[in-house]
Amino acid sequence: GQSLEQPSEVTAVEGAIVQINCTYQTSGFYGLSWYQQHDGGAPTFLSYNALDGLEETGRFSSFLSRSDSYGYLLLQELQMKDSASYFCAVMNTGFQKLVFGTGTRLLVSP
Amino acid sequence: KAGVTQTPRYLIKTRGQQVTLSCSPISGHRSVSWYQQTPGQGLQFLFEYFSETQRNKGNFPGRFSGRQFSNSRSEMNVSTLELGDSALYLCASSFSQGDTQYFGPGTRLTVL
Repeated sequence: GQSLEQPSEVTAVEGAIVQINCTYQTSGFYGLSWYQQHDGGAPTFLSYNALDGLEETGRFSSFLSRSDSYGYLLLQELQMKDSASYFCAVMNTGFQKLVFGTGTRLLVSP
Repeated sequence: KAGVTQTPRYLIKTRGQQVTLSCSPISGHRSVSWYQQTPGQGLQFLFEYFSETQRNKGNFPGRFSGRQFSNSRSEMNVSTLELGDSALYLCASSFSQGDTQYFGPGTRLTVL
């Protein structure tokens, strides 16, 4: 099976940089995805890493190390609107379902 | 291109009743997955449909069922509702299996 671990909560101030880590255990790995979810809203796709290294999309970057079964989401120039829950997810071996981490609640303060 | 749509957005039912939720995927997407989200259990996979066939099912009782139509629209049904079924039910679509999944706004089900 698969399991993913994330910190439950991270706090930061506007303009700062924050890193949200994700470690996973899986019998078959096809990539790590990140989703953002605001309270009361639906998960929104942020990024996907299939290979090792850093993927950058504007203020957000995502990193993957397959040898360490580890990835992170880096958020730069934090804004109040970035306050949300962030989930990492892996696709299972049969390409049939996403297995989500427990989620990290990010609180951005002024 | 329009996103994933789900109806209804909110639903209140009583124990023992049944409910049907609907999901319309992004145009051209053929894979539809359903997830249940609760504060205690997080996001849990229910089932996935591709070309009208259920390809995988999560660890939920048989009261939870679904289907997909030829136009890729999908429905899920929960029979004999229990209090613990109160949750946000999310539908996600992707072009094909293994591709990035895009979520709809969800249906908030409350069972009284």
